[in-house]
Amino acid sequence: SAVISQKPSRDICQRGTSLTIQCQVDSQVTMMFWYRQQPGQSLTLIATANQGSEATYESGFVIDKFPISRPNLTFSTLTVSNMSPEDSSIYLCSVESQGNNEQFFGPGTRLTVL
Amino acid sequence: KQEVTQIPAALSVPEGENLVLNCSFTDSAIYNLQWFRQDPGKGLTSLLLIQSSQREQTSGRLNASLDKSSGRSTLYIAASQPGDSATYLCAVGGTGGFKTIFGAGTRLFVKA
Repeated sequence: SAVISQKPSRDICQRGTSLTIQCQVDSQVTMMFWYRQQPGQSLTLIATANQGSEATYESGFVIDKFPISRPNLTFSTLTVSNMSPEDSSIYLCSVESQGNNEQFFGPGTRLTVL
Repeated sequence: KQEVTQIPAALSVPEGENLVLNCSFTDSAIYNLQWFRQDPGKGLTSLLLIQSSQREQTSGRLNASLDKSSGRSTLYIAASQPGDSATYLCAVGGTGGFKTIFGAGTRLFVKA
């Protein structure tokens, strides 16, 4: 299994500002995934982050709003830019194990935008 | 387009009951199916992973089954405990580059 940590665990931000969320994995992984979970909803994939290439964004998510970095095989960041109250969600980082494609998740970052 | 549905949306049971959570999916061409537990405001904990070639997986009091042809999976929890109270999510991994699709979850409350 993979152990994943995220920082910050939670934050309260003002409208119009940006927040960068960090995700650290205890082993090297090819792909890292960023999900959003809005209040009372299930998970929605924002993008897939591959090391050494641009992230692949899902429909409805754009790089200008959610820039992602993947500088190495154990770390990634997601920035939520120009935030509005609609961005209030839990943001989750995830990886897949190489052998059986089991998914593991970080503890999440709970973001509240005022 | 794959759709994943979980029934019931919420469930309240007394401690000690055996219970079944249901997950259905519309496209049987799946790579795997995974059950997760999520405590309020927290991340997801992997409970069981069933590969497309498997019929079931067991871990302790949990048993998950998979019937690809009918597009169904069940999570069976034996002798439920208050500590089992959480939201249980089913996630279907697709083939051919299709991403994992999550159900909306079943919120379980086990009363002491």
